Amino acid sequence: EIVLTQSPGTLSLSLGERATLSCRASQSVSDSYLAWYQQKSGQAPRLLIYGASSRATGIPDRFSGSGSGTDFTLTISRLEPEDFAVYHCQQYGSSPQTFGQGTKVEIK
Amino acid sequence: QVQLVESGGGVVQPGRSLRLSCAASGFTFSSYGMHWVRQAPGKGLEWVAVISYDGSNKYYADSVKGRFTISRDNSKNTLYLQMNSLRAEDTAVYYCAKDQRWLQLWDAFDIWGQGTMVTVSS
Repeated sequence: EIVLTQSPGTLSLSLGERATLSCRASQSVSDSYLAWYQQKSGQAPRLLIYGASSRATGIPDRFSGSGSGTDFTLTISRLEPEDFAVYHCQQYGSSPQTFGQGTKVEIK
Repeated sequence: QVQLVESGGGVVQPGRSLRLSCAASGFTFSSYGMHWVRQAPGKGLEWVAVISYDGSNKYYADSVKGRFTISRDNSKNTLYLQMNSLRAEDTAVYYCAKDQRWLQLWDAFDIWGQGTMVTVSS
């Protein structure tokens, strides 16, 4: 089973700042099958990024994903009020699919 | 409008059973793999089970293997999760989720339901 470790656990930033979230895998993720989800309190997760770097439908271009192998990054270029949430990474290249423990982006 | 709506959650005693349902609409249900994912209170996401578009392939997390059964009825556009021998550690919000690409089994999840809470407690 591939273990995903997200860092930091919590990121405290101000509006307009850049957020950089990390997701590290214990083994190489096949074909960069790495996704990022945003989850707001009391809501279901929403797909942001798939295939490590492709934005899902309707996702603003301030969200970008990068990386390959075992190291992946989600970047939010300029934080908007609606971006403060928990972000989860997921690998879906190997069975079982696994998720990271999440990174909370909070207002500083 | 593409939508998934879960139902069937509730409070159940340890060792008892519960069946969750997920009603799909707005897309060709019979063309997509479907998953159950759970989230314990204050915790991260845990993948539970997947079923292929035609129901011929099913896979489970080790934590539920032998106790949970995933199934689907494509004529009713509905996904199910039969949960037997429930334990306290099964307490979570259970989400159904749709594979992004048709006819896939392992994929990102582009549509999620709102979730249904299952509480296992005596």
